[in-house]
Amino acid sequence: GAVVSQHPSRVICKSGTSVKIECRSLDFQATTMFWYRQFPKQSLMLMATSNEGSKATYEQGVEKDKFLINHASLTLSTLTVTSAHPEDSSFYICSAPPLAGGDRETQYFGPGTRLLVL
Amino acid sequence: GDSVTQMEGPVTLSEEAFLTINCTYTATGYPSLFWYVQYPGEGLQLLLKATKADDKGSNKGFEATYRKETTSFHLEKGSVQVSDSAVYFCALNPLPYKLTFGKGTLLTVNP
Repeated sequence: GAVVSQHPSRVICKSGTSVKIECRSLDFQATTMFWYRQFPKQSLMLMATSNEGSKATYEQGVEKDKFLINHASLTLSTLTVTSAHPEDSSFYICSAPPLAGGDRETQYFGPGTRLLVL
Repeated sequence: GDSVTQMEGPVTLSEEAFLTINCTYTATGYPSLFWYVQYPGEGLQLLLKATKADDKGSNKGFEATYRKETTSFHLEKGSVQVSDSAVYFCALNPLPYKLTFGKGTLLTVNP
């Protein structure tokens, strides 16, 4: 099946620094990618929709200046957590529906990135 | 808004036991319903889905039926294996591709 990768898988950073997380579709193209956040023992919460060639769409309550999203190509979206603080520590997951093939509900998930801010 | 409630885990079973993970939902429209599975160290994978009332989704021995009257989509398997150990997420899509997830249920199957 289709593969979505995320890099890094785990990152530890100091408070106040910025962290970039990459999401790549390895064998398909995607004009849209989704970024989720998962707290321990909580459900995945959709943060934003990343759109290739245009601005991301953020869910209510998500700070767009805090979580910068860039969808630079049909296979890459990046999430940058700016001026990270300990409360940003979480598990970040991306997903992508293929541009071609599959039904309108098919999407593939990355393995997630564990962020720990000290 | 739309939401999903699934049974709290963790669930621990012996191999070949019967599995049920309950999932109920609230939705204003007529969403599709999904079960996703996340194996250790891997991304979420679609396990099965149902797109309308009374549909039954099935895959790898797992089944779930879209029950509109009880707003439920319970996951069942008659005989679990150690390899089924994973986290299971119930989800619905209020809009195309935009999924609303339950909190996940950790299943551990012991030999």
